[in-house]
Amino acid sequence: QVQLVQSGAEVKKPGSSVKVSCKASGGTFSSYAISWVRQAPGQGLEWMGGIIPIFGTANYAQKFQGRVTITADESTSTAYMELSSLRSEDTAVYYCARGLSARTFHNWFDPWGQGTLVTVSS
Amino acid sequence: EIVLTQSPATLSLSPGERATLSCRASQSVSSYLAWYQQKPGQAPRLLIYDASNRATGIPARFSGSGSGTDFTLTISSLEPEDFAVYYCQQRSNWPFFGQGTKLEIK
Repeated sequence: QVQLVQSGAEVKKPGSSVKVSCKASGGTFSSYAISWVRQAPGQGLEWMGGIIPIFGTANYAQKFQGRVTITADESTSTAYMELSSLRSEDTAVYYCARGLSARTFHNWFDPWGQGTLVTVSS
Repeated sequence: EIVLTQSPATLSLSPGERATLSCRASQSVSSYLAWYQQKPGQAPRLLIYDASNRATGIPARFSGSGSGTDFTLTISSLEPEDFAVYYCQQRSNWPFFGQGTKLEIK
């Protein structure tokens, strides 16, 4: 079955950017949306946006538009999430997750990556 | 934006008891609702989708019901491994999660 493996933890300065990767293995990559969901310490889940690799188009939650860029490399079955202008409130675990159904952003999330902790601190 | 409100915030029960968790949407989401389980230090796991369909590998003690604005996740007889945080999610609009219900051991 599909597995998603994310890159390791990051520590960043305020105002900088972070890029997190999510590599898929064991299944079809291009037809299914890969979404990014973040979770601040002790808080709930927040959808940031996603991409359907075969279409090459990304959609973003309004809160993050202009600050997040989601891309995908079909040749390596890897999706990326780059968040810029980091502030302390962006400290969170960032998860990638694949859509349960093909070719739609309006989706359930299964499976999930293991999560990447991004810490923003001066 | 369709807001999901989960209740209660915390539910304290004992193993073997029945758990009933609620999720209410600010407007109808038809049957476009899912439930996830998250244990400390782990990623969420999909339990139920389309309001009542169990995801692959999910035990039969988990069931979902509801449509429109009111949904319920029921765990028929709690096992020790079921104590976790549960989130609902809608996909009627862009994906949005409820704030979670913590199911703790009494």
